[in-house]
Amino acid sequence: QLQLQESGPGLVKPSETLSLTCTVSGDSISSSTYYWGWIRQPPGKGLEWIGSINYSGNTYYNPSLKSRVTTSVDTSKNQFSLNLSSVTAADTAVYYCARRAGGYNWFDPWGQGTLVTVSS
Amino acid sequence: DIVMTQSPDSLAVSLGERATINCKSSQSVLYSSNKKNYLAWYQLKPGQPPRLLIYWASTRESGVPDRFSGSGSGTDFTLTINSLQAEDVAVYYCQQYYSSPYIFGQGTKLEIK
Repeated sequence: QLQLQESGPGLVKPSETLSLTCTVSGDSISSSTYYWGWIRQPPGKGLEWIGSINYSGNTYYNPSLKSRVTTSVDTSKNQFSLNLSSVTAADTAVYYCARRAGGYNWFDPWGQGTLVTVSS
Repeated sequence: DIVMTQSPDSLAVSLGERATINCKSSQSVLYSSNKKNYLAWYQLKPGQPPRLLIYWASTRESGVPDRFSGSGSGTDFTLTINSLQAEDVAVYYCQQYYSSPYIFGQGTKLEIK
């Protein structure tokens, strides 16, 4: 059974870079069929797609975040990662990783999510 | 961007009754070449990962109870939950995957009356 688990610091200072990793178990991240995505949910707000990456490093991002987002894949560890630079309090959110469906941009399954707070 | 608007924001339904959640897109998410609506529904419960319920507007994900159904086309969509169960209390989101950015609705909170 495919499972995803986010990990990373729960507290990041303003202007610094938020870094999270998603560990995939139950399937190889190197499958050419899938992309792997990041989605976030600020407290009391809705879901926002951040970006997606595949095993060979092909990426596409939400234009509203593109200038601050980078993602990467480590196939040896079956992990993919998110870096979000120059964070502000508005980046405080629960961050989810998820698998994008075969050729289409719905997401299933998702990780449990991890809360990242931006505060000094 | 295709904006997704759900209604209502919150909903209280009695156990065993039907819950209906609406989702409207600011432009059509029906792709003419394959006649498919690029619309998904998710369920979010506290402390649990989000769960995909429906894709292609009406295709139920494997393992999702058949009391959940999706309908609609173009710009107007509905998630229906028949015979509401206590475990259906959650926030429900629609999402368009027709074009980037892949935007979600603002969510509808479903409670038991």
